Amino acid sequence: EIVLTQSPATLSLSPGERATLSCRASQTVYSGLVWYQQKPGQAPRLLIYDASNRATGIPARFSGSGSGTDFTLTIGSLEPEDFAVYYCQQRSNWPRTFGQGTKVEIK
Amino acid sequence: QVQLQESGPGLVKPSQTLSLTCNVSGGSISSGSHYWTWIRQPAGKGLEWIGQTFASGSTNYNPSVESRVTISVDTSKNQLSLKLSSVTAADSAVYYCARGWIHLPPYGLDIWGQGTTVTVSS
Repeated sequence: EIVLTQSPATLSLSPGERATLSCRASQTVYSGLVWYQQKPGQAPRLLIYDASNRATGIPARFSGSGSGTDFTLTIGSLEPEDFAVYYCQQRSNWPRTFGQGTKVEIK
Repeated sequence: QVQLQESGPGLVKPSQTLSLTCNVSGGSISSGSHYWTWIRQPAGKGLEWIGQTFASGSTNYNPSVESRVTISVDTSKNQLSLKLSSVTAADSAVYYCARGWIHLPPYGLDIWGQGTTVTVSS
């Protein structure tokens, strides 16, 4: 199965700062990479699909890039509601797999 | 607006079968446009993909649970179901159902249930 490794595990930033999250795949997933946001006690929320496409209603400060094995989620300027855990998931191979998550916390 | 709602026993004894349902409202589970997925999350940990099914009955499972899991659709009740046999404490988790699009974007799980907590304990 494809292993997704997210880094860093925790990102401590202040509101207004830029967040850069990484997701690396153990083998190519082409552009089949998805990003989700999860807040405590809530289900995950779809942010980005096919590496760089924002889902409906997702603010423009969220952007995704990458292809193959290296992907990045960037939050341009952190809003208070952006502090959460972010997961990447690949949808190119079976079984679908998730990264272990990156927690973006308030510094 | 499509909504998903998981339900089932919150407590299951070891070695027994965990059975959950996901009620789909505001849309048809028979839609050929979607697939339906179960995902779980142990307390304080990350997400694990369990498997998915299409209205046709075609399924894909995670090898980690494949020998114990059955995911199916009941079109008459507009429900998705999960059965996981021979459970152990390691199966304790919040279980989510979610919907994905087959041939149209967004190519990800765009609608999720709120999750249901299952504890495996005697």
